[in-house]
Amino acid sequence: GENVEQHPSTLSVQEGDSAVIKCTYSDSASNYFPWYKQELGKGPQLIIDIRSNVGEKKDQRIAVTLNKTAKHFSLHITETQPEDSAVYFCAARGDSWGKLQFGAGTQVVVTP
Amino acid sequence: DTGVSQNPRHKITKRGQNVTFRCDPISEHNRLYWYRQTLGQGPEFLTYFQNEAQLEKSRLLSDRFSAERPKGSFSTLEIQRTEQGDSAMYLCASSPTASNQPQHFGDGTRLSIL
Repeated sequence: GENVEQHPSTLSVQEGDSAVIKCTYSDSASNYFPWYKQELGKGPQLIIDIRSNVGEKKDQRIAVTLNKTAKHFSLHITETQPEDSAVYFCAARGDSWGKLQFGAGTQVVVTP
Repeated sequence: DTGVSQNPRHKITKRGQNVTFRCDPISEHNRLYWYRQTLGQGPEFLTYFQNEAQLEKSRLLSDRFSAERPKGSFSTLEIQRTEQGDSAMYLCASSPTASNQPQHFGDGTRLSIL
């Protein structure tokens, strides 16, 4: 089955700096890669996703890149703000039913 | 769009008791998923429904766990004879039928076993 690894497990950045989170996946059949943000006591909230026919996608301060050959994808957050502090999860999906395999998460702390 | 709704938000029970959680998906979403999340980990897939049909179950779903979606709308997840290891956040997500559509999560039910 699919296995997703996520790094780093914690990330501390100064407000205004960029944050990068990296994930690798094992199943070459995976074709959909969402990123979720989870705040304390809340469920995961989708922030951006990318499909395997696209190499990069951007939405305001958030961007995701995908390298299918190397089987890795990354989340980039620019101009970080304190409200970006949360746990971020990457995920991969390879079957038509939609089961997601998640990484272990990255705790992002943005300090003013 | 009222989002995915889960009840209760918190459940505290003694070991050996039965518990039931409810999930109300986004109204037009035919697919419904249950995940379990333990502290410091990502969500793990438990089971999946397409309308009222349960199409896949994880090996994590022991015979003490049962899920239903009788009318293809809301779903329930029941855990019988709860154990300490069942303590976790139980998350529900829903999505449209079309392939590669995003899953939207509820805020979960946090289960604590005393």
